Amino acid sequence: DIQMTQSPSSLSAFVGDTVTITCQASQNIKNHLNWYKQKPGKAPQVVIFDASVLESGVPSRFTGSGSGTRFTFTITSLKPEDIATYFCQQYHNLPLTFGGGTRVGIK
Amino acid sequence: QVLLLQSGPDVKKPGASVRVSCEASGYTFVDYYVHWIRQAPGQGLEWMGWLNPKSGGTNYAPKFQGRVTLTRDTAVNTAYMELHSLRFDDTAVYYCARVDGPVTIYGVVLSEGARYDMDVWGQGTTVIVSS
Repeated sequence: DIQMTQSPSSLSAFVGDTVTITCQASQNIKNHLNWYKQKPGKAPQVVIFDASVLESGVPSRFTGSGSGTRFTFTITSLKPEDIATYFCQQYHNLPLTFGGGTRVGIK
Repeated sequence: QVLLLQSGPDVKKPGASVRVSCEASGYTFVDYYVHWIRQAPGQGLEWMGWLNPKSGGTNYAPKFQGRVTLTRDTAVNTAYMELHSLRFDDTAVYYCARVDGPVTIYGVVLSEGARYDMDVWGQGTTVIVSS
């Protein structure tokens, strides 16, 4: 199985700050990576697919980059509505696997 | 509006089976794979398997192989996940989600313009295993 190591597990930042989450794959997964946002009690929703493509309707302050084994997810100018847990997910091979999640909070 | 509507919460005893349904609307049901993912309380996301509604074909995560069954009824645009021999640690929220492109044990099958993210999710179904 492809292991997805996500860091940090949690972070807090001020409104307006830039936050970055990283996801490391245990093997080369090319750009076969998605990012999801999950609010408490809700289903996840896709934010970025194919490592860097912004889902329709998602604000441009969300960006994704990387390929191979190392990926980053960035929120610029953090807003209160960005409070959530974010997960990476690889689709390079079965079984599909997710990172452990990063809980983003506001200071 | 594209929706996946799941069945309501359920409580089961250890050793029993549970079936969760996922009714699709707003799109052509057979054109997208249906994946099942679960989330134990306070934990991350765990992929269980996928169903091809067109063919009925399935692929299960090794952890659940032999204990989960994915089926569908195309007449009512509904996918089903049945988990057998329930244990206390099967207590979780179970989600269905649709995916455009196929991922097989040989890797992602690249198709022109296909997407491989879970772009629509059901609302989740809480299953509690308790004696």
